[in-house]
Amino acid sequence: KQEVTQIPAALSVPEGENLVLNCSFTDSAIYNLQWFRQDPGKGLTSLLLIQSSQREQTSGRLNASLDKSSGRSTLYIAASQPGDSATYLCAVTGSGNTGKLIFGQGTTLQVKP
Amino acid sequence: NAGVTQTPKFQVLKTGQSMTLQCAQDMNHEYMSWYRQDPGMGLRLIHYSVGAGITDQGEVPNGYNVSRSTTEDFPLRLLSAAPSQTSVYFCASSYSPHRGRGTQYFGPGTRLLVL
Repeated sequence: KQEVTQIPAALSVPEGENLVLNCSFTDSAIYNLQWFRQDPGKGLTSLLLIQSSQREQTSGRLNASLDKSSGRSTLYIAASQPGDSATYLCAVTGSGNTGKLIFGQGTTLQVKP
Repeated sequence: NAGVTQTPKFQVLKTGQSMTLQCAQDMNHEYMSWYRQDPGMGLRLIHYSVGAGITDQGEVPNGYNVSRSTTEDFPLRLLSAAPSQTSVYFCASSYSPHRGRGTQYFGPGTRLLVL
């Protein structure tokens, strides 16, 4: 059974710091991995999608990597800002036919001014 | 594009009442799904649809029905609400996720409280 783990559960950093969020998964048979952002009381916003054949994706200050063989992904946030404060979720789409996203529990990030 | 829209934003029900949560998307996505999000349990798949007229059960389907008569709409029906169905419900859509076109877009959610 696929399990997704995110470490740490919470992170507090000063503004301007570069930071890395970690995601690991137990079954390497995935179609893709997606990183989301969720603000309190809001829906999920897709940040980056990495296909299983890709190693990384970049969008602005965000860079996500994928190492399928080791079951790991990282989300790198450069020059963090208070507006980056949110919960970050990673999710994998498993190899079955359901299209089901299997989510980690999330990392809650606080960026202090 | 409006993306994925959900109504209502918030609803209070009494035990035993029924209701329909609405979900619509304007991106011509064939795949749509419903999740519920609960503290400590994360997001869990309730039902999904790979196209109009085709639906299937996810991880936690009991107490919920769905139908998909059009590409755009995917309503979720609670047949007889129970306090255990108190949750935040999210609808999502994408092109076929298991064919590698899988960015899934989520709606803003419906907060449901069952008394």
